[in-house]
Amino acid sequence: SAVISQKPSRDICQRGTSLTIQCQVDSQVTMMFWYRQQPGQSLTLIATANQGSEATYESGFVIDKFPISRPNLTFSTLTVSNMSPEDSSIYLCSVAGTGEETQYFGPGTRLLVL
Amino acid sequence: AQRVTQPEKLLSVFKGAPVELKCNYSYSGSPELFWYVQYSRQRLQLLLRHISRESIKGFTADLNKGETSFHLKKPFAQEEDSAMYYCAPLSGGYNKLIFGAGTRLAVHP
Repeated sequence: SAVISQKPSRDICQRGTSLTIQCQVDSQVTMMFWYRQQPGQSLTLIATANQGSEATYESGFVIDKFPISRPNLTFSTLTVSNMSPEDSSIYLCSVAGTGEETQYFGPGTRLLVL
Repeated sequence: AQRVTQPEKLLSVFKGAPVELKCNYSYSGSPELFWYVQYSRQRLQLLLRHISRESIKGFTADLNKGETSFHLKKPFAQEEDSAMYYCAPLSGGYNKLIFGAGTRLAVHP
């Protein structure tokens, strides 16, 4: 399976600021996803990062709040904009290959907003 | 709406006891189903998927379409099985995993 890394691994941010999280894969993958895991809760899909086009967002998530880039088949970024304490979560990226249904997850980015 | 239910937040057993982590789903058709596991201080990882019909680390899961269940079982729990377990059906055609709330398994010596 692919080796997936995320940067930063954790951060503490002030409200009103923005943080960009990077997801890097060691091989080309077709699908990349971004999830959020709020404290004590399960994972919720934010969006599917599409290479060369706009991300596909799930209900309750909007591009202005969570802009996503995917410039190539090995890299994606998620920005958490204008942060509030409610954005304190673990953010995870996952990947899947062409025709594959199994997703593999990065280590996550733990974000605390004060 | 498509839903997945893991009714137990915590399952506590002694080493050597049988384990069953419950998962029920409400999907039409034949969903692809996964169990993911997260050990302490490790990333989320795939445990097994129903289509492969494998036994991983002694765990098995059978899809029961009549009961719309995909319970995870192991006949003899080990301390190293202590972890958070998530049932996750795949939303057909969209590669979207829908995660259950998760069950924390605690295996005591």
